[in-house]
Amino acid sequence: AQTVTQSQPEMSVQEAETVTLSCTYDTSENNYYLFWYKQPPSRQMILVIRQEAYKQQNATENRFSVNFQKAAKSFSLKISDSQLGDTAMYFCAFHEAAGNKLTFGGGTRVLVKP
Amino acid sequence: EADIYQTPRYLVIGTGKKITLECSQTMGHDKMYWYQQDPGMELHLIHYSYGVNSTEKGDLSSESTVSRIRTEHFPLTLESARPSHTSQYLCASSEYRSTDTQYFGPGTRLTVL
Repeated sequence: AQTVTQSQPEMSVQEAETVTLSCTYDTSENNYYLFWYKQPPSRQMILVIRQEAYKQQNATENRFSVNFQKAAKSFSLKISDSQLGDTAMYFCAFHEAAGNKLTFGGGTRVLVKP
Repeated sequence: EADIYQTPRYLVIGTGKKITLECSQTMGHDKMYWYQQDPGMELHLIHYSYGVNSTEKGDLSSESTVSRIRTEHFPLTLESARPSHTSQYLCASSEYRSTDTQYFGPGTRLTVL
């Protein structure tokens, strides 16, 4: 079974600075997809960024970028120029290409300080 | 934000009551999911559906049941609520391909006294 580990329960960052969230996963599959989801306080979970394992190029989405290291099974998220609205729980998630479900990590709480 | 809705948003009920948590999406998505999110925030899949008349159990054993009579609607029912059912329940949907992005509803926070 796949497992997803987020080793940082909480992180804080000053507004406008950069923070990196770590995520590692365990799988024997070669074809899969990785996601970062954001869950703001009392608001809906939304997709931040998605990476296909067959793509070598790291995905970017505005201020959000990933560092995908397939051999190391690592998928970190970098938030640049942090904004107060980035305060949220961030979940790393894994999906086998042929599977039925997302497997989530335990989450990292990010607090952006003014 | 995605067009997926959950009602009620908050529910406090007594032990033994039957409850139904509603989830609807207007995106025409085939696949729908129910997750239970514990106080530590970890998410566990409890049910999913590939489409109308399809329901499957997820990873976490749950005493709840689901139905999928219409594409847009995926309600979750607890026949007899207990304090151990106190949790946040998140509904999600995606297009048919298994790796399509899942879109989440706002959640229902259930408290059973």
